[in-house]
Amino acid sequence: GQNIDQPTEMTATEGAIVQINCTYQTSGFNGLFWYQQHAGEAPTFLSYNVLDGLEEKGRFSSFLSRSKGYSYLLLKELQMKDSASYLCAVIFTGGGNKLTFGTGTQLKVEL
Amino acid sequence: DGGITQSPKYLFRKEGQNVTLSCEQNLNHDAMYWYRQDPGQGLRLIYYSQIVNDFQKGDIAEGYSVSREKKESFPLTVTSAQKNPTAFYLCASTDTSMNQPQHFGDGTRLSIL
Repeated sequence: GQNIDQPTEMTATEGAIVQINCTYQTSGFNGLFWYQQHAGEAPTFLSYNVLDGLEEKGRFSSFLSRSKGYSYLLLKELQMKDSASYLCAVIFTGGGNKLTFGTGTQLKVEL
Repeated sequence: DGGITQSPKYLFRKEGQNVTLSCEQNLNHDAMYWYRQDPGQGLRLIYYSQIVNDFQKGDIAEGYSVSREKKESFPLTVTSAQKNPTAFYLCASTDTSMNQPQHFGDGTRLSIL
């Protein structure tokens, strides 16, 4: 199968940095997305990686290693509003633009 | 204002009843998708359509049906054959240019009476 693995839960402190990891099978990989989802709301797009390396967007960065089947989302200067679920989703070849989602990582930011 | 509109926000289904969830987009996207999300779970693909008058089954299509008669609209019917329909349903759309992000509606929460 095309499993996408993420930790279920993480807790971090306001102002700190947190790294959320995602691993996937490398066969047929064609791009990876990160989404943020607050409870009961729609997922919102955060970042896209298809080449190896780091993509930076303000407080959020995303890294990809295609050979290792590994990505992470880095959140800096954490704020209480960053408490949400973070979803890793992969496009595999042959599936059009279909996304395969991981189960999401529930991040709790504490004072 | 461009976006995706799902309605209703909350929906209740009686035993043996079919219900239809609406999804409309004015983003001029060719591709549209329906996902189901259960508590603590990721999104699972029900059906998707990459062009008008064509659609394909996703990973969990049993008990659901769709139509794509117009580019803007992709309604999902939850039939009585779906024995566990209680979930959060999300509709998404995207441009079919390679690897564009999907844009999501605000979701419909379906419960059983």
